[in-house]
Amino acid sequence: GAVVSQHPSRVICKSGTSVKIECRSLDFQATTMFWYRQFPKQSLMLMATSNEGSKATYEQGVEKDKFLINHASLTLSTLTVTSAHPEDSSFYICSAYQPGGISSPLHFGNGTRLTVT
Amino acid sequence: TQLLEQSPQFLSIQEGENLTVYCNSSSVFSSLQWYRQEPGEGPVLLVTVVTGGEVKKLKRLTFQFGDARKDSSLHITAAQTGDTGLYLCAGAYRGGTSYGKLTFGQGTILTVHP
Repeated sequence: GAVVSQHPSRVICKSGTSVKIECRSLDFQATTMFWYRQFPKQSLMLMATSNEGSKATYEQGVEKDKFLINHASLTLSTLTVTSAHPEDSSFYICSAYQPGGISSPLHFGNGTRLTVT
Repeated sequence: TQLLEQSPQFLSIQEGENLTVYCNSSSVFSSLQWYRQEPGEGPVLLVTVVTGGEVKKLKRLTFQFGDARKDSSLHITAAQTGDTGLYLCAGAYRGGTSYGKLTFGQGTILTVHP
């Protein structure tokens, strides 16, 4: 089945540094990928829609200069948390859309636990 | 803006009991999906419902999509400790330019005690 690989699974960084998270679709081309943020025991909050070859569309309240998204190929989207601060600590999840009809599911990565110290 | 109200947010039951989780919206969704998520992992798709009035069964789990495609329910029969987890409903809105964009409910944390 379709698989989405997200890397790294865990990362600890110091305040002020930048962290890059990768989301790859392993056996299908994903023109659209989504990035979510999730706080403990809460639901997924959509941060942005990443479209291959064009600028990402950010949800209201999400700082585009802080959360840089690059979707340079049909199988890879990256989320860079710039100048990270402790409040950016969270669980970040990506998903990739596999075209094929309205019932086609999204494929989720396994998430990245970011801890900013 | 499409909103999905999911309830209850927390559910703590004994093994063997039945339970139902609800998702309601004022918007019509083209499809609705149910996910289960374990701590530290991504959500895993349980089912997708597309047709109004549709009922799908997955072993002890029964999923229903409302006739008007605005609401859905997940019913678990004879819950087991392995059912413990975060359950998420998510609606797909077929509009705009982004297929696959989901609106998630708030989630239901289910704890099944032995």
